[in-house]
Amino acid sequence: NAGVMQNPRHLVRRRGQEARLRCSPMKGHSHVYWYRQLPEEGLKFMVYLQKENIIDESGMPKERFSAEFPKEGPSILRIQQVVRGDSAAYFCASSPAGGLLGETQYFGPGTRLLVL
Amino acid sequence: AQSVTQLGSHVSVSEGALVLLRCNYSSSVPPYLFWYVQYPNQGLQLLLKYTTGATLVKGINGFEAEFKKSETSFHLTKPSAHMSDAAEYFCAVSERAAGNKLTFGGGTRVLVKP
Repeated sequence: NAGVMQNPRHLVRRRGQEARLRCSPMKGHSHVYWYRQLPEEGLKFMVYLQKENIIDESGMPKERFSAEFPKEGPSILRIQQVVRGDSAAYFCASSPAGGLLGETQYFGPGTRLLVL
Repeated sequence: AQSVTQLGSHVSVSEGALVLLRCNYSSSVPPYLFWYVQYPNQGLQLLLKYTTGATLVKGINGFEAEFKKSETSFHLTKPSAHMSDAAEYFCAVSERAAGNKLTFGGGTRVLVKP
């Protein structure tokens, strides 16, 4: 049973380019969370999605960032016009259908974004 | 709003010695509490969690943690450190009012000396 998959594992972009980060949840999981880990800091919540729905985007920057989780395919975190401050590790986590409070979230290996 | 404080961003222990990582939380309602471990360049792996019931929780790799409501703490311990325990450890909390999102502490990096 494959775990949470993220790709690419490493992504280098120049300022002003777009970054697309992909996350495939564990089989049978329909809840996806994105977190960002800035250098030397803990993880910060960004967005919580279910299939075709954004449930909580309270941690998303107001501009340039968007997320989706379509009916088919992986969840995508999109960063437009990247800036150096976007350099970070982006982690995706998934949980089983139901999204019960206290439910374990299973994390992927992360995508490390470097903006030059 | 919920928050998590981990005392000590770096901890150094000798192999075979006790590992104690401190975590205090702030929550307006009974929280759900988690400890995750992160090895270099990897994702987070759940060590253990507290939801309800017994306040002493046992996890993987010999770790355990005790939920103390009166002290708003959820400290992580392991009686005898192993070299493979060198990693970064994160305490996290989720609560009903905040949906299921996790709020993490700043992390504690553990170094194990031979």
